[in-house]
Amino acid sequence: AQTVTQSQPEMSVQEAETVTLSCTYDTSESDYYLFWYKQPPSRQMILVIRQEAYKQQNATENRFSVNFQKAAKSFSLKISDSQLGDAAMYFCAYRSVLTQGGSEKLVFGKGTKLTVNP
Amino acid sequence: NAGVTQTPKFQVLKTGQSMTLQCAQDMNHEYMSWYRQDPGMGLRLIHYSVGAGITDQGEVPNGYNVSRSTTEDFPLRLLSAAPSQTSVYFCASSYLARTRSTDTQYFGPGTRLTVL
Repeated sequence: AQTVTQSQPEMSVQEAETVTLSCTYDTSESDYYLFWYKQPPSRQMILVIRQEAYKQQNATENRFSVNFQKAAKSFSLKISDSQLGDAAMYFCAYRSVLTQGGSEKLVFGKGTKLTVNP
Repeated sequence: NAGVTQTPKFQVLKTGQSMTLQCAQDMNHEYMSWYRQDPGMGLRLIHYSVGAGITDQGEVPNGYNVSRSTTEDFPLRLLSAAPSQTSVYFCASSYLARTRSTDTQYFGPGTRLTVL
């Protein structure tokens, strides 16, 4: 079974600075998807960025980028030019690419609470 | 297109009461699932369904029942609520991997349940 570990329960960053959130995972599969979700106080789960394991190029979405190290099974999220609106819980998640029923399920880490200080 | 909707948003129950959390989606997604979120635990899969009439257990299924009579709806039933079921519940849906090459899952807004 796959597992996802986020070793930083809480992180803080100054507004306009850069912060990196860590995520490691364990799997025996060679292809899979990885995601970062943001959960603000509104509770809504918002997809921030996704990475397909067979793609070597790191995904980027505006101020958000990932450092995907497949051999090390590491998938960190970098937030540049942090804004007050980035304050939230961030969850790392894994999904298989297999096509049998049920493979669509997401395996989540425990989350990292990010505080942005003005 | 409302996406994934959940009702109610908040609910307080007494131990032993039963209730149903509703989930509906209007995107014709075959796959639907329920997660619970507890502090320090992330989201854990309760039950999932890959189509009408087909359901299966996830990581933490005890105390919950589901059924899928239509593509659109996937209710979660608590037959006899316990304080350990105090949590935030999320419904999510997506296309099946074998029918559509997309990995995006859509989440509902969540239901905060308190069992006294």
